[in-house]
Amino acid sequence: KAGVTQTPRYLIKTRGQQVTLSCSPISGHRSVSWYQQTPGQGLQFLFEYFSETQRNKGNFPGRFSGRQFSNSRSEMNVSTLELGDSALYLCASSPPALIQNIQYFGAGTRLSVL
Amino acid sequence: DAKTTQPPSMDCAEGRAANLPCNHSTISGNEYVYWYRQIHSQGPQYIIHGLKNNETNEMASLIITEDRKSSTLILPHATLRDTAVYYCIVRALNNAGNMLTFGGGTRLMVKP
Repeated sequence: KAGVTQTPRYLIKTRGQQVTLSCSPISGHRSVSWYQQTPGQGLQFLFEYFSETQRNKGNFPGRFSGRQFSNSRSEMNVSTLELGDSALYLCASSPPALIQNIQYFGAGTRLSVL
Repeated sequence: DAKTTQPPSMDCAEGRAANLPCNHSTISGNEYVYWYRQIHSQGPQYIIHGLKNNETNEMASLIITEDRKSSTLILPHATLRDTAVYYCIVRALNNAGNMLTFGGGTRLMVKP
């Protein structure tokens, strides 16, 4: 079974631009979560999508948004990029069972904002 | 979610058992203990979870104290590939979805 796939792996953008990151969950998984990891703040939860609906949201500004498609694939978008948005963005999917909080992570997209 | 406290770093000799402690003194009765690890440049990996009984799987064992205020993750025979940051997370199992709160974790260095 293929794992969680994130594309692209690396991305370089400049301040003010916007970026879209993509995540393909494990087949059969309907929950997709996004996290941001920086050296200063560590791993922080961004949002979770389940059945195309945002189910949970972390404490990030509205410049960070996401969506989920009917095939459970998810995208996250960051508009008006700031230098502080440079980070590793991780996507995780969860199986459709009662055992929640078990998440399978992708390798991440490393975003550098110049 | 209850707060967890972990030592920032630990060393372990290759082949020996690695015992990683976690304090969660404010844990509630419905909160589980989860362990994840993150090997350098990879996404976190689920290891094990438990409520109050000790648990074992192919990766590790989880020992939870009787009062549930602390736990220990045990890697019975640590290898160099177990060098990683280990995160202890406490969260209730409910219908609110999947949303993990990661602390600083313990950086485990397995040395030859």
